[in-house]
Order: sequence, then C-alpha cells, then structure tokens
Amino acid sequence: EVQLVESGGGLEQPGRSLRLSCVGSGFTFDDYAMHWVREAPGKGLEWVSFISWTGGSIAYADSVKGRFTISRDNAKNSLYLQMNSLRTEDTALYYCAKDIKLGATRGAFDIWGQGTMVTVSS
Amino acid sequence: QSALTQPASLSGSPGQSITISCTGTSSDVGGYNYVSWYQQHPGKAPKLMIYDVSHRPSGVSHRFSGSKSGNTASLTISGLQAEDEANYFCISYTTNSTPWVFGGGTKLTVL
Repeated sequence: EVQLVESGGGLEQPGRSLRLSCVGSGFTFDDYAMHWVREAPGKGLEWVSFISWTGGSIAYADSVKGRFTISRDNAKNSLYLQMNSLRTEDTALYYCAKDIKLGATRGAFDIWGQGTMVTVSS
Repeated sequence: QSALTQPASLSGSPGQSITISCTGTSSDVGGYNYVSWYQQHPGKAPKLMIYDVSHRPSGVSHRFSGSKSGNTASLTISGLQAEDEANYFCISYTTNSTPWVFGGGTKLTVL
C-alpha cells in the first residue's frame, strides 16, 4: 500500500522549535518531489515547502522562509520539516504530500499523509 | 501572497453539473498549465482530482473535468452525486516569491 505517515507534532511555545517527520512506503521514495502543506483550524490549505527528488532544489512559502527547513533522507524514505522560531500563526495540521510527477514537480499531490497537528501557544 | 480566488460556496441538485472557478493572474493560472484541484471531505486529507489543468489521475471519476481560459481555471462536476459534497481547492504554480499558491476553497453543497 502506498502511504505517508507523519509524526512529530505537538504543543510548543512561541519561539521554540519542532521537527516533523514523514515516512513513505509502497513507492520509490527517491523518485519523487515531496511537499509540506498545512491547514490551520477552520481555514483552507496553505502550501509550505517543496524539496526535489534529489534534495537539490528547495522552496518555501514567504510565511515560513528563514524559519523552516525542509530536508529528506532517501535511504530512510523520510521527509523532514525543521520548524524554528514558531509563531501562533503556525498552528495547523501539517500534511506531507507526494508529487504525482516522476522526477519533477507539478504541484500535484497524489498521496497525502494523515497529518500531524502542531499547536503553538503559551 | 494572495490566494487564488474561488467562490466561497456553491450548491447543486443531484444529476446537475456545476463549475467551480479559480481566478488568478498571468503570473500563475494564466501563465502556466500547472493547476491542480483537490477534493476534501471534513476531517480527511485532500484528494487529487485534476492536475496539469485537465488531467485526471487514475481512479478519479470521469464526471470530474478541468479546463482553463485566460487567468481562470475551472473544475466541472457533471451528474452531481451526494458524495461530491465537499470542499474543493485549486492550486497553481506562480512566479511570485511563494511558488505554489492555493485558492481559498469552495464549499460544495449537494441539495
């Protein structure tokens, strides 16, 4: 079965850090670009970050640039999101998502995890 | 970074067709064929319905189709069914500093 499983969410204070993880299975992980997308409570979807299949190309939303770092370990079929200097507005359900396109990105996410909740509050 | 513009809500009766619009600019929707559509039921992860403007992933019903004209992309659902009631989001590549931008979402109600 093709699936993504996120972990690492929780309650953290403003200014602190969290590291999210996402493990893929059922597909050749290192063939695909990966993304993080978040959903704040009662809000819509917000694209957060992208990493290419090799890790050589990375992009961030302006809202997290300079604070979040995306990375991947293809040997472990794993995607990460290091979240520093957390703000209350980072409170959201964070999904990792696989791009549909082999070796490229289309911003088309055909496989999603179940999400991991991050709550930033004092 | 402004989201793409979608109608907040739409409704239709079973069997009808409805079209959800996603309006951007020449920097995003109008300039590239990298528009995707997602269906999201409450409490569930989004599901990819259309990518590259008009391509349907395997397993998605043929009742769902996508198109684009100028700066507006559209998702059309024909033969509305009760299970189509959900939130729908578009996303497009953009040349702005945030490379991917979602629409605000459309809540579809099947009457």
